[in-house]
Amino acid sequence: EPEVTQTPSHQVTQMGQEVILRCVPISNHLYFYWYRQILGQKVEFLVSFYNNEISEKSEIFDDQFSVERPDGSNFTLKIRSTKLEDSAMYFCASSDFRGTADTQYFGPGTRLTVL
Amino acid sequence: GENVEQHPSTLSVQEGDSAVIKCTYSDSASNYFPWYKQELGKGPQLIIDIRSNVGEKKDQRIAVTLNKTAKHFSLHITETQPEDSAVYFCAATYNYGQNFVFGPGTRLSVLP
Repeated sequence: EPEVTQTPSHQVTQMGQEVILRCVPISNHLYFYWYRQILGQKVEFLVSFYNNEISEKSEIFDDQFSVERPDGSNFTLKIRSTKLEDSAMYFCASSDFRGTADTQYFGPGTRLTVL
Repeated sequence: GENVEQHPSTLSVQEGDSAVIKCTYSDSASNYFPWYKQELGKGPQLIIDIRSNVGEKKDQRIAVTLNKTAKHFSLHITETQPEDSAVYFCAATYNYGQNFVFGPGTRLSVLP
């Protein structure tokens, strides 16, 4: 069964450093998402992406964050200057159609630790 | 914006018993309600979903009910097994495929 994959599984970085989290969505999906989950808290929406542009973003997704689909398979989340409070699990998700078939499939996540 | 509440935050049941988790939502425009199961160290996995034009949906031991008037929906797990132990999240969204608003989660423990 197709699945969303994410790399790395765990990223440790120093405060102020840039990090790039990578995702490979399910191959025929058109909509891509990033969510984050601070330890012990609920999953929070960051951004959705369609047709090579952001379609929606939350208040969390400020100027320090950016997303990109650099090629036909990868979807990346960049944090330019990490803060301690960016430490969380980051989940990528994808869905195939914003219509009647819209189930979002989540990847296993990347645990980001900012020291 | 949408706000999703979920109860209880923790739930312990004996193996073989039923478990019920309830969620309420605030935005009457929400029309899609998925349930996700998250095991330790893994991403959320969809277990069942329901759309606003349906009142109930069942898949083997799992069922979801939706009351649009009261703006709440519930997950029912029958004949629970130890492998059902996980954190369960409900979510709501409108305009199919928009970002999900998740509930805070329920930690279900099935005791053997």
